[in-house]
Amino acid sequence: SQQGEEDPQALSIQEGENATMNCSYKTSINNLQWYRQNSGRGLVHLILIRSNEREKHSGRLRVTLDTSKKSSSLLITASRAADTASYFCATAAFVGGTSYGKLTFGQGTILTVHP
Amino acid sequence: DSGVTQTPKHLITATGQRVTLRCSPRSGDLSVYWYQQSLDQGLQFLIQYYNGEERAKGNILERFSAQQFPDLHSELNLSSLELGDSALYFCASSLDGQGRQPQHFGDGTRLSIL
Repeated sequence: SQQGEEDPQALSIQEGENATMNCSYKTSINNLQWYRQNSGRGLVHLILIRSNEREKHSGRLRVTLDTSKKSSSLLITASRAADTASYFCATAAFVGGTSYGKLTFGQGTILTVHP
Repeated sequence: DSGVTQTPKHLITATGQRVTLRCSPRSGDLSVYWYQQSLDQGLQFLIQYYNGEERAKGNILERFSAQQFPDLHSELNLSSLELGDSALYFCASSLDGQGRQPQHFGDGTRLSIL
């Protein structure tokens, strides 16, 4: 079963607008990662935020992490048609003092950016 | 290009058959992960290898097995295939095996069971 819940499930915006996607998770984590998947292709790593970080930036991406609420958000600013894709959050668990390599994925948000 | 190579890209076979999916990790990465993506289950972790040894198991059926060879490439074997095994199978690799580094995904093998 998927640990993460993402909302919205689908988001449709115009080019130039900002897109915000949210993710919630259930277990303690070492880090949280965001990935993009273009239709039928592999996942592309976007950004990794560690459990002791609250915010991270990479180009037009901004990720926040609230470990007390077990939630994260991904903001894409000034979106482009090329940003159209599915976006997944994924967590690497940290349980009992052990970091686990496997990722647990959310259900994903389908983002459509209209030119 | 992630540097992770998966073959074949597409596989069409019948129920009851056996197939082998192959993955070459990114150069320098020691850990290989297998994931299954389907419409109803989403992305599910199957199994992880690190430097030739099994490190973790997820929702992997007994009909499925995997291994990582000395040259670090990995194979996922699926046997007694059922219609429900139709899915996209991804291989990913990372430098460490403890989730501290990003994983790099191949383009997947699309398996269709007829």
